[in-house]
Parts: sequence; C-alpha cells; structure tokens
Amino acid sequence: DAGITQSPRHKVTETGTPVTLRCHQTENHRYMYWYRQDPGHGLRLIHYSYGVKDTDKGEVSDGYSVSRSKTEDFLLTLESATSSQTSVYFCAISEKEGNQPQHFGDGTRLSIL
Amino acid sequence: DAKTTQPNSMESNEEEPVHLPCNHSTISGTDYIHWYRQLPSQGPEYVIHGLTSNVNNRMASLAIAEDRKSSTLILHRATLRDAAVYYCILGQANAGGTSYGKLTFGQGTILTVHP
Repeated sequence: DAGITQSPRHKVTETGTPVTLRCHQTENHRYMYWYRQDPGHGLRLIHYSYGVKDTDKGEVSDGYSVSRSKTEDFLLTLESATSSQTSVYFCAISEKEGNQPQHFGDGTRLSIL
Repeated sequence: DAKTTQPNSMESNEEEPVHLPCNHSTISGTDYIHWYRQLPSQGPEYVIHGLTSNVNNRMASLAIAEDRKSSTLILHRATLRDAAVYYCILGQANAGGTSYGKLTFGQGTILTVHP
C-alpha cells in the first residue's frame, strides 16, 4: 500500500472554528490532491498540488485553502468551518502527471456541528 | 467536460466473471479511461486504466471499444472482496494541455457479489 497517512481520522468541531487536515506521504510523489465525498455527489476535487508551493483549485474550492511547504505534507484548512463542510475528506497522491494512478488515503471523517 | 455513464448497480455470483460497462460518448482523443473501486469505509483504490488498447493487470482487464465511446471492466472471477462501488473516470487535461491527473468521480456502479 502507498504510504499515505491522513490525520486526524475523525474530528468533531463547531461552526466557525478553524480546522486543518493533514496528509502525509512517504512516497516522494510530486502530485497531491484533496477530495471530499458526500452522499449523492461522489468524490469531488477541492484542491491539488503539483509541487512544493504549487497549488491550484479544484471543483469545490470555496471555503478551503491549502498549503504545501514540503513534498511530503499537504494541508487542507477550513478557515471558518460551516456545517456544509461536514464530509469525508480523502487525500490522494500520484507520481507523475498525465493520467497516472492516484493512491488514496483512508480518509478523515469531519463533523461540524 | 467529458462524462461517463454507468449502471447504478449490478449483481454477480461468486467465482463468476463480471462485466461492468461504461459509456463515454464525448471522450476526447487524449482522455484516458480509468477505473477505481471503493470498498466500504475505505478510500478509492486504483484498478486499471488505458487509452486505446485493451489492458490487463492482476486485478482486472479493461476492454475499450474501437471508437472509444465505451469500455468494459472485466473481473474474471468475482470474489466477495470485490463487492464495492466501481467508478469509470476519464482523465482530463487542464486548459494548458498538461494533465495534472485530475479525476472527476461520478456515482459509480455498486457491485454486489453473492456467495
């Protein structure tokens, strides 16, 4: 299995609080992705990174920011969490650009009350 | 963006072959066809991908129609562990023509395998 660790695995917090999710990889892959998964919507891309300090928006980026200061870590931040951001969040990595397989972490279940 | 269409659900018996269809009539010439699956309470798992030719790996086979408007994922002998949601996805390129491997997941096909 690809070395991807998401933390925390579960989190419950209140509306308006900041939340940071961490994705850590040991594969030295260049590309990293954050997705959210909600019933009826499948997985949707939030942000992705194509290198250290190189990031771009995905399909549902509003309310989220990301940072990648080193190859192995990709952070997803909810500056002021809202109940609509209750979801399961998955991180993924891939080695190369251009339609290479993505390997996913086990997910973080985030509940915002 | 090119879309895929899959049946909502399919059923199979254990140790029988399973053919999971996918339609992608608006596929572009540079789109790869990817298949992922997701077991309950887990992240998606890469299964196979291809461009034009049929592909085989230890998990499955991918049969791609000559006009590339459809494809079929083949599980040669289904096991109970193959029960999952299977996603057929087209790999998209960004506006600059360089693909960062962004994947757009649809609803997928829920595969039930009966003992």
